[in-house]
Amino acid sequence: GQNIDQPTEMTATEGAIVQINCTYQTSGFNGLFWYQQHAGEAPTFLSYNVLDGLEEKGRFSSFLSRSKGYSYLLLKELQMKDSASYLCAVSGRTGRRALTFGSGTRLQVQP
Amino acid sequence: GAVVSQHPSRVICKSGTSVKIECRSLDFQATTMFWYRQFPKQSLMLMATSNEGSKATYEQGVEKDKFLINHASLTLSTLTVTSAHPEDSSFYICSARDSGSGGQETQYFGPGTRLLVL
Repeated sequence: GQNIDQPTEMTATEGAIVQINCTYQTSGFNGLFWYQQHAGEAPTFLSYNVLDGLEEKGRFSSFLSRSKGYSYLLLKELQMKDSASYLCAVSGRTGRRALTFGSGTRLQVQP
Repeated sequence: GAVVSQHPSRVICKSGTSVKIECRSLDFQATTMFWYRQFPKQSLMLMATSNEGSKATYEQGVEKDKFLINHASLTLSTLTVTSAHPEDSSFYICSARDSGSGGQETQYFGPGTRLLVL
């Protein structure tokens, strides 16, 4: 089976940096995704990691350690519009390309 | 990024009726599309995998006779909720993977369909 854990809620201040962690246990691994989802909307793609290390994309970075079953999403220079849910999702073994999602982390950015 | 559309965006229906939701990949071909359901304040749960030209693969606990999936072309998958009941009220989201992207696993999500069954 597959199990993905991430914190339920986080609060941070505008302009600050926040790190959202995700741990996973899966049968097979074809990559880890981070999505952003605003209330009432569909998820939008943020990042994809399949190899160990850090992927940087503007204010957002994502890190993966396959040996530890661990990833984090780093958001820099937080803006009010970053208030949303952040979903960690894993693509399982080859042939099963569907994503298994964590429960999501609701981030509240305060002034 | 690739664009996926869904129609309708919102539907309200009476209990017992059937509702069809369309998912289209607009600028790429998708041999595989996925249907998810999301209840309020919960994460996305995979319902089924839609395969072009063959039968859909359903997740455990999802009734295939209630949630009919048809993937007739490389750009269109439909989900029909048959004899809908209030407990089927949810946010239904489809996603598609670009078949021409090689090993890239990225899935692109449609905007979702909010279903309310009265």
